[in-house]
Amino acid sequence: AQSVTQLGSHVSVSEGALVLLRCNYSSSVPPYLFWYVQYPNQGLQLLLKYTTGATLVKGINGFEAEFKKSETSFHLTKPSAHMSDAAEYFCAVGDSGNTPLVFGKGTRLSVIA
Amino acid sequence: GAVVSQHPSRVICKSGTSVKIECRSLDFQATTMFWYRQFPKQSLMLMATSNEGSKATYEQGVEKDKFLINHASLTLSTLTVTSAHPEDSSFYICSAPGQGYDEQFFGPGTRLTVL
Repeated sequence: AQSVTQLGSHVSVSEGALVLLRCNYSSSVPPYLFWYVQYPNQGLQLLLKYTTGATLVKGINGFEAEFKKSETSFHLTKPSAHMSDAAEYFCAVGDSGNTPLVFGKGTRLSVIA
Repeated sequence: GAVVSQHPSRVICKSGTSVKIECRSLDFQATTMFWYRQFPKQSLMLMATSNEGSKATYEQGVEKDKFLINHASLTLSTLTVTSAHPEDSSFYICSAPGQGYDEQFFGPGTRLTVL
């Protein structure tokens, strides 16, 4: 069975500061890993994904994540937070893109002016 | 990218009534779709896998007679909440795998409120 642990249900950063959202996963097969962002009362928007190949993945809005197999981690980072980044972020793992995803509990990011 | 729509986006109904939620893949075909449920300030939990032309597969603890799923075509899956009760109030989200099978595309969600 697969699982995802997101450390920190709430992260608060100052505008312009580094954003680091942590995600650790458990999977018995090579994982497909995803980060999604959700704004209030909206669906999920894909930020980035790791399937195979390069372990440093760049996504939209300046976000990136690095797949570290030895650490079973897929942390999300952004060098400089913007007010518009305030939202809920979900890390998810799957066997592929064709199987259901297992989501972490989510991390709410607050950006302070 | 591929687009998945859901209808309605919001629905309020009385206890005991049934509500149908549609999930459509607008520009691609999806033989499989997934239905998730999200309680307030919580994560998404898989309810069931919808399979075109065959019965849906439900996760443990999900009542198949209460949450009826029909995948009638390659672009449409419906979730019907039968005899809805206030505890069924939630955010329901569907997803469908893209053609490359390396990503899923999520609908915008349906907010169900049962009075």
